[in-house]
Amino acid sequence: KAGVTQTPRYLIKTRGQQVTLSCSPISGHRSVSWYQQTPGQGLQFLFEYFSETQRNKGNFPGRFSGRQFSNSRSEMNVSTLELGDSALYLCASSPSPRTGNDGGYTFGSGTRLTVV
Amino acid sequence: GENVEQHPSTLSVQEGDSAVIKCTYSDSASNYFPWYKQELGKGPQLIIDIRSNVGEKKDQRIAVTLNKTAKHFSLHITETQPEDSAVYFCAARTLSGSARQLTFGSGTQLTVLP
Repeated sequence: KAGVTQTPRYLIKTRGQQVTLSCSPISGHRSVSWYQQTPGQGLQFLFEYFSETQRNKGNFPGRFSGRQFSNSRSEMNVSTLELGDSALYLCASSPSPRTGNDGGYTFGSGTRLTVV
Repeated sequence: GENVEQHPSTLSVQEGDSAVIKCTYSDSASNYFPWYKQELGKGPQLIIDIRSNVGEKKDQRIAVTLNKTAKHFSLHITETQPEDSAVYFCAARTLSGSARQLTFGSGTQLTVLP
């Protein structure tokens, strides 16, 4: 069974540019969450999508956005990049926010974004 | 919102010894507490989890305990091996209507010395 696939693995962007990251969840998983990981702030929740709808959003500026497609694949976008956006962006998939299985968060290996 | 504190930030043990990592949480509505292991260059991997209706759970050399009254939970690794060396994160799930999010602790760098 394939795991969570994130592309690209590494990305270097310039300040002011925008970037789109992609996440393909485990087959059958319908919920996708995004997290930002930095040495200073640790793992912070960005947003969660289920059935193409954003269900929850963390405390990040509006430059961070995302979407989910009908096949459950998700993308996140960061516009007007800042140096502080350099981080490992992790995607996690789980079966559904409404099943009795509250666990099952499987993370991908992440996309390492460097803003220069 | 939820706040999760994790201690210690670094832990070194001799191979074969036990390791204990502790976390506290603030939101009494949290009901799901997973532990993740993150190796260099990889995403966090779920190693064990516990729900609020259970006090203890064990899986081979790994065990987790939960004290709801005190709002703390702990990870216990026995008979540690060099391959246990990694960063370990605890987390708590915050309830917010139908939405879910994991709030993570700051991580513990575990080093198992051969």
